[in-house]
Amino acid sequence: NAGVTQTPKFQVLKTGQSMTLQCAQDMNHEYMSWYRQDPGMGLRLIHYSVGAGITDQGEVPNGYNVSRSTTEDFPLRLLSAAPSQTSVYFCASSYSQGITGELFFGEGSRLTVL
Amino acid sequence: GQSLEQPSEVTAVEGAIVQINCTYQTSGFYGLSWYQQHDGGAPTFLSYNALDGLEETGRFSSFLSRSDSYGYLLLQELQMKDSASYFCAVNRGNTPLVFGKGTRLSVIA
Repeated sequence: NAGVTQTPKFQVLKTGQSMTLQCAQDMNHEYMSWYRQDPGMGLRLIHYSVGAGITDQGEVPNGYNVSRSTTEDFPLRLLSAAPSQTSVYFCASSYSQGITGELFFGEGSRLTVL
Repeated sequence: GQSLEQPSEVTAVEGAIVQINCTYQTSGFYGLSWYQQHDGGAPTFLSYNALDGLEETGRFSSFLSRSDSYGYLLLQELQMKDSASYFCAVNRGNTPLVFGKGTRLSVIA
C-alpha cells in the first residue's frame, strides 16, 4: 500500500517556467489537498478537493491551478513560477478528515525557483 | 477567520515530561488534531480530540477544553527521537484543517 505519492521530490525552476507537481493516492480517499510549508509559517492550504470534479481555493491559491479528474490524482500546476513559490509542497488525503481529524501526507516536493 | 497560537520552541530533558499548548480562535469547531514532523519529513498524525478531556496514546496524550478554546499535547518519558516539530490543527468539519505554525521541540541529554 503506497499511500500518498508525490513527484518529483526535488525540482529547480527558472522564473516564468511552468510545471506540475503530481499527487496520487491509492486509498480511495475522497478528500485531497495541497499545502505549502515555509520556515516559521506552518502549513498553508493552497487548494483542496472533496471529490472528483470538485475543487476549491484555500488560503494561498494565487499562481496555482488544480484539477481533479479522478479520485486517485490531484495535480498542482504552477502557471508561471516566481521566487516566492520556493517552498516545500505537501499533498494530503483523507477518508474522514471531518470526523477523525486525520490527514495522510505525501513525502513532499521541494521546489526552488531561481 | 481562524487563528492558532502555539509556542515556537520548547526544550526539554530526555526522560522528562513536556507540554505543548495550543489556543485557537475559529468558527465551526469540530475538534483539534496534533501532528509530528521530523526535519526533512512529512507531517504524521498523532491524535485527535473532538470532546473535552484527555486522550492517551502510549507516551503521548492530548487534552482539549472547548470552553477555553485550548488544548495541549503531553509527551512523557521523552526520548531523543521525539525531537521534532509539533503542529496543532483545527478541524472545522468537511473544510480543510487549519494548522498552527508549529512548536519545535528539542530534547537534550
